[in-house]
Amino acid sequence: SQTIHQWPATLVQPVGSPLSLECTVEGTSNPNLYWYRQAAGRGLQLLFYSVGIGQISSEVPQNLSASRPQDRQFILSSKKLLLSDSGFYLCAWSGLLGTGTGNTIYFGEGSWLTVV
Amino acid sequence: AQKVTQAQTEISVVEKEDVTLDCVYETRDTTYYLFWYKQPPSGELVFLIRRNSFDEQNEISGRYSWNFQKSTSSFNFTITASQVVDSAVYFCALCGGSNYKLTFGKGTLLTVNP
Repeated sequence: SQTIHQWPATLVQPVGSPLSLECTVEGTSNPNLYWYRQAAGRGLQLLFYSVGIGQISSEVPQNLSASRPQDRQFILSSKKLLLSDSGFYLCAWSGLLGTGTGNTIYFGEGSWLTVV
Repeated sequence: AQKVTQAQTEISVVEKEDVTLDCVYETRDTTYYLFWYKQPPSGELVFLIRRNSFDEQNEISGRYSWNFQKSTSSFNFTITASQVVDSAVYFCALCGGSNYKLTFGKGTLLTVNP
């Protein structure tokens, strides 16, 4: 079965410091990968998605970037964090569109980021 | 553009009561997928169900049931005989048939009191 892991689970970082959140998926190949953010007030916002190695689409212009160096690895980064970057970050995966798992997006455990 | 509306921000019930969470959606896609996710206090989003736009059959899974009605663009979720462990935020979401992006509603916080 497929599993998704992301880390660290909790992070407290000062303003202006860099960020790296990592996510890996096991048990599947060539997944679509996603980064979502959930700010206060519960709304979930898609930040980035990737359909393959090195292919990143950004949904919202911001202080963050994403990379996919390997098929099942997705990294969320920032060179200099802002207070507004605080929130709950969720990595997710889905299978190929049209397949059994293609149209269901499964989420990781999430990472709580507090920028101070 | 896609939109998902969960008009109920918070619901509080007493254990064993039945509760229905409402979800109304908007999309121009003819093929689309609807989802419900549960977010317990731990934060993880737990997938509950996916429903395809071409399948209006309602579904029951234990104490959970879902009512999909294309005529009213609704995909409501009912918990029968609620339990304290059902306390969580529940999200309804929509994905167009030709893309990979989930549009979420703002969620409904369900509190089940003993």
